[in-house]
Amino acid sequence: GNSVTQMEGPVTLSEEAFLTINCTYTATGYPSLFWYVQYPGEGLQLLLKATKADDKGSNKGFEATYRKETTSFHLEKGSVQVSDSAVYFCALSKAGGGADGLTFGKGTHLIIQP
Amino acid sequence: DAGVIQSPRHEVTEMGQEVTLRCKLISGHNSLFWYRQTMMRGLELLIYFNNNVPIDDSGMPEDRFSAKMPNASFSTLKIQPSEPRDSAVYFCASRTGPSGELFFGEGSRLTVL
Repeated sequence: GNSVTQMEGPVTLSEEAFLTINCTYTATGYPSLFWYVQYPGEGLQLLLKATKADDKGSNKGFEATYRKETTSFHLEKGSVQVSDSAVYFCALSKAGGGADGLTFGKGTHLIIQP
Repeated sequence: DAGVIQSPRHEVTEMGQEVTLRCKLISGHNSLFWYRQTMMRGLELLIYFNNNVPIDDSGMPEDRFSAKMPNASFSTLKIQPSEPRDSAVYFCASRTGPSGELFFGEGSRLTVL
């Protein structure tokens, strides 16, 4: 079945550091890939997505590229801020779409120190 | 526009009691998902509905859990009887179609003593 593996957290960085959160997936076909962010006490919000190989999703300075050859969708940001502190979830949806739910990774807790 | 609305935000109950969690979808959305979040297991999909019809409930942990969607805009998740291991944050989410963005509510934090 489908699965998503993320790097374990917490990840602690200083403000303005470069961020990478690794995500790899297992799925048949060509799923759509997503990054969601969860701020304390809130639900998940879509951060970015990519729907086909080599697509790059970007939002709020974050980027991730759909790499089919390595089955990866790593999240990057060039200069993090304290306000980026949150839990980040990588997710995929079934290839071809369909009314199914997303499969989520376990989440990576990011802590940015001033 | 109002987002997905969940109630209650927090529930503390004793083992054996019935718990009902509620969710109001975003207007115009036709798919509804219930997720459970715990530290140990992360986010787990419990059940999802499409156009009020349950499509896949294979994630529902056991018969103590049931979910309904009596109309296009509202859903309930019921646990009867509740157990301490049911303690978690329960999220519902909705979307407009098979490839639309999932919009999450703020969650219902359940503590079963």
